Amino acid sequence: GQSLEQPSEVTAVEGAIVQINCTYQTSGFYGLSWYQQHDGGAPTFLSYNALDGLEETGRFSSFLSRSDSYGYLLLQELQMKDSASYFCAVKRDDKIIFGKGTRLHILP
Amino acid sequence: KAGVTQTPRYLIKTRGQQVTLSCSPISGHRSVSWYQQTPGQGLQFLFEYFSETQRNKGNFPGRFSGRQFSNSRSEMNVSTLELGDSALYLCASSEDFNSPLHFGNGTRLTVT
Repeated sequence: GQSLEQPSEVTAVEGAIVQINCTYQTSGFYGLSWYQQHDGGAPTFLSYNALDGLEETGRFSSFLSRSDSYGYLLLQELQMKDSASYFCAVKRDDKIIFGKGTRLHILP
Repeated sequence: KAGVTQTPRYLIKTRGQQVTLSCSPISGHRSVSWYQQTPGQGLQFLFEYFSETQRNKGNFPGRFSGRQFSNSRSEMNVSTLELGDSALYLCASSEDFNSPLHFGNGTRLTVT
């Protein structure tokens, strides 16, 4: 089947680093995307990995390994405003498949 | 540029009724896609439109339909509403098929 697996919740401390994993059981897709959604808000695009390797955008980095069917989002220097849900997504057969999201809790 | 605009923000309907939701994409974006978001199922793809043509459709019953107009604005319609249709319906636009999605704030539909 086509599915993306993410942990449902992750907790980290302000100022720390956290990694949110995304494993998938689908192939033939166009890259891996990450979106952030705050409570009551719209998902917003964070990053896209078209190829294997690491993409860095400020405090956020994303990684993809097609051979391991695995990707992750890395958030550094965590801030309270990073408390949100994070979704990984792929596009396959012109349909977008989202993981069920990881709720990130940040402790002061 | 203005972002993606969805109307209405909130809607309450009763079972058996039908509903139409509206989405205005970012200016210049020709691709519009729709998603249903629920706590149990997450974000699920409904359909995508490009240049007034439906390019693909997710695994939803025929009660869910949509269309796109020449100005790229899109509507989705749900007929014969069921309690399980209660959800946040999100619209997203993008420049082309593989560009990042820009989401609207959604329409919260409650079916009673």
